[in-house]
Amino acid sequence: GESVGLHLPTLSVQEGDNSIINCAYSNSASDYFIWYKQESGKGPQFIIDIRSNMDKRQGQRVTVLLNKTVKHLSLQIAATQPGDSAVYFCAENRNSYGKLTFGQGTILTVHP
Amino acid sequence: KAGVTQTPRYLIKTRGQQVTLSCSPISGHRSVSWYQQTPGQGLQFLFEYFSETQRNKGNFPGRFSGRQFSNSRSEMNVSTLELGDSALYLCASRPGTTQETQYFGPGTRLLVL
Repeated sequence: GESVGLHLPTLSVQEGDNSIINCAYSNSASDYFIWYKQESGKGPQFIIDIRSNMDKRQGQRVTVLLNKTVKHLSLQIAATQPGDSAVYFCAENRNSYGKLTFGQGTILTVHP
Repeated sequence: KAGVTQTPRYLIKTRGQQVTLSCSPISGHRSVSWYQQTPGQGLQFLFEYFSETQRNKGNFPGRFSGRQFSNSRSEMNVSTLELGDSALYLCASRPGTTQETQYFGPGTRLLVL
């Protein structure tokens, strides 16, 4: 079935490095994408979003890239900090209704 | 603004029982969506409510139901609980009129014994 999937289930980096988390989606009709961060015992926290009419969007220390040709989404975190350690999920939405389809998640571990 | 709140935070039930979970959205948000999170299936969409009407539904059995009140607060109910219903149940809110970011609550951890 249609799904959003992540290439890497775990990612370990050193503090100060840049991190890249990848996500593949299968439905070309998807037009809105969101990255969430989930820490242990908490609900997903919004990081950044991007619409299909854009290919790049920047936030504070984060950048999301969207490649519609290969249906690929990535989250770049600059100068990764130990507080960035969490599970990161990509999610896609195909219309204005509230259904988000989530990827499996990537565990990011930042070593001091 | 206060964030999305969910009550209770933790619940223990036995098989066959039923449970009701509550979600209060961010003030001004009219859409509430519910998700189930398990280690095996990840985050899965249950349903969305907007202005007291169910607007979208995921692939869950009829034992899972919900409703929304005029103040946008929402409840979900699971009847005849099964062991596999043990999960973190998350709700998310957004204004609801266009394609907007959903903001999640902390979740209700349900354990079915």
